[in-house]
Parts: sequence; C-alpha cells; structure tokens
Amino acid sequence: EVQLVESGGGLVKSGGSLRLSCAASGFSFSYYNMNWVRLAPGKGLEWVSSISSSSTYIYYADSVKGRFTISRDNAKNSLYLQMNSLRVEDTAVYYCARGEYGDYQWGQGTLVTVSS
Amino acid sequence: QTVVTQEPSFSVSPGGTVTLTCGLSSGSVSPNYYPSWYQQTPGQAPRTLIYRTNTRSSGVPDRFSGSIVGNKAALTITGAQADDESDYYCVLFMGSGTWMFGGGTKLTVL
Repeated sequence: EVQLVESGGGLVKSGGSLRLSCAASGFSFSYYNMNWVRLAPGKGLEWVSSISSSSTYIYYADSVKGRFTISRDNAKNSLYLQMNSLRVEDTAVYYCARGEYGDYQWGQGTLVTVSS
Repeated sequence: QTVVTQEPSFSVSPGGTVTLTCGLSSGSVSPNYYPSWYQQTPGQAPRTLIYRTNTRSSGVPDRFSGSIVGNKAALTITGAQADDESDYYCVLFMGSGTWMFGGGTKLTVL
C-alpha cells in the first residue's frame, strides 16, 4: 500500500524557516516524480513544486521561487521542502503527492502556520 | 497572467447529473494541458478522480468522467450522491514544468 507521511509543520514567525519531510513507503520511491501542493485556509489548492525521480528536473511556482527548495533522498525514500523567508500567506496544509501529469497519490498533509 | 477558471459553486439534486468545467482566462483547454480533477473534503487529503483529461484514477466509480467540452475541460458526475458534496479542483499543465489549479467549485447536493 502506498503511504506518504508528511512531517515538520508547525508555527513559525514571518521571516522564519521550516523544513518539511515526506516519508514514502509501499512503492519504489526512486521511480516516481514527487510534488508539493498546498491548501491555504479559505483558499484553493496551489501547486508548489515538483522534482523528477532522479532530481534532474525541479520546478517551482512563482509564489515560492527563490524561497523554497525541494529535494529528495532516494536512499531514504524521503522528499523534502526547505522553506525560507516564510510569509503569512504561506500558511497552509502542505501535501506531498506522488506522480506526474496529474495522476497523484496524496499524503495526509502537514500544517504550516506563519504568524506576523 | 493566464488563470484557470472554475464555477465557484454548483448544485445538483440527488440522482442528477452535473458537469463542472475548467477553462482558461485566455485560450482554450486541450488534452495538451493534461487536465486533471480532484475532490477535496474539508479535513481530508485531496482525492484524484480524473487525470490526463479522461482517465479515471484507481477505485473511482465510473459515474465520474472527464472530457473536453468546447474550449474547456469538464468533469461530469452522473447519479449524484450525498457524499459527492465536496470541493472539486482542476489542474492544468502550463508548460515549463509548472501547473496551475483552478479556484475550485463547491458542489452542493440537495
């Protein structure tokens, strides 16, 4: 069974940093592209970032470019999102999602709250 | 900047059929945009319904279907049930590895 478990969320002040992790199990992690998608309170889903299976290709939404860094460790079956210079508008549940071309399998999410 | 458009809200009667759409503020949606659809219930993770325009995700009943209608992607739900009451999001591939979600449609079944 595919499992994606996010961790690392929490409360941080504006300008601060957090590192999210996503532990994958039940599938060959190194074969799959991975993604981060967020859901802000009262707002819609927003694609954040994607990384290819071997980390060759990395993409970011304009809203996080230059502040967030996606990475993965295939030996540890883990996906990461380093979030720097956090803003109040980054407050959201962050989901890890396996797959490409919209064929996603989702984790349960981790809540990031950025206070002013 | 081009945005992805969805109806903010829609209602359907139990047993009825509803078609939600996903468009572009500028231009037409085609299969090249790999339109995909997700169901989001508050407090739960999103659920993938349709990807690549019309491919149902594993375990999704066939009363959910995807298509291109005119210049938009469409999600049709036939035989609506009470537990279909959720938020529905589409996403489009915008090129250069980037994706954009629509604002979501809140579906009410009543």
